[in-house]
Amino acid sequence: GDSVTQMEGPVTLSEEAFLTINCTYTATGYPSLFWYVQYPGEGLQLLLKATKADDKGSNKGFEATYRKETTSFHLEKGSVQVSDSAVYFCASKPFNAGGTSYGKLTFGQGTILTVHP
Amino acid sequence: NAGVTQTPKFQVLKTGQSMTLQCAQDMNHEYMSWYRQDPGMGLRLIHYSVGAGITDQGEVPNGYNVSRSTTEDFPLRLLSAAPSQTSVYFCASSNPRDPSGLQETQYFGPGTRLLVL
Repeated sequence: GDSVTQMEGPVTLSEEAFLTINCTYTATGYPSLFWYVQYPGEGLQLLLKATKADDKGSNKGFEATYRKETTSFHLEKGSVQVSDSAVYFCASKPFNAGGTSYGKLTFGQGTILTVHP
Repeated sequence: NAGVTQTPKFQVLKTGQSMTLQCAQDMNHEYMSWYRQDPGMGLRLIHYSVGAGITDQGEVPNGYNVSRSTTEDFPLRLLSAAPSQTSVYFCASSNPRDPSGLQETQYFGPGTRLLVL
């Protein structure tokens, strides 16, 4: 079955540092890929997504590029802020050939990010 | 719109007790799902529904029942709670036919924290 693997955490950075959280996937065909973020005490929110190879998703200064050749979707941000402290989840969803987006998200284990002032 | 709402926020059960976790959405989304979140394991799909009257099992369905009598509601029932069901439960919904490009996005509720003693 499909699987998603994220880099081991937790990650602790100083404000304005560069962030990379690695994510690799295994799937049949070409899944859609997502990064979700969970702030303390809240549910998950979609951060960014990419639906085909070489697509770059971006939001709030975060970026991730869908790399089919390395089956990766690494999350990056050039300068993190204290407010970025959260848990980040990489996820995949299988492509539906019928054109609808029914499907089931497969999540990585999550990476805890703590940013200090 | 209230989005996806879940009740209760927190619940303590004794082994063998039953309860229902409520989930409702007011976005007229066809697709709804339940996940459980456990430390180091990310989110795992319990059950999902592609529309009223249609449900199916996810990755970890044992010990849980669901029904979908309306588009808005998707309750999760624990028939006989076990300590292994101690977890945080998230409900999510999406509109796979969204014409605005958001058909891939799942919207999560704030979660229910369940402790089974």
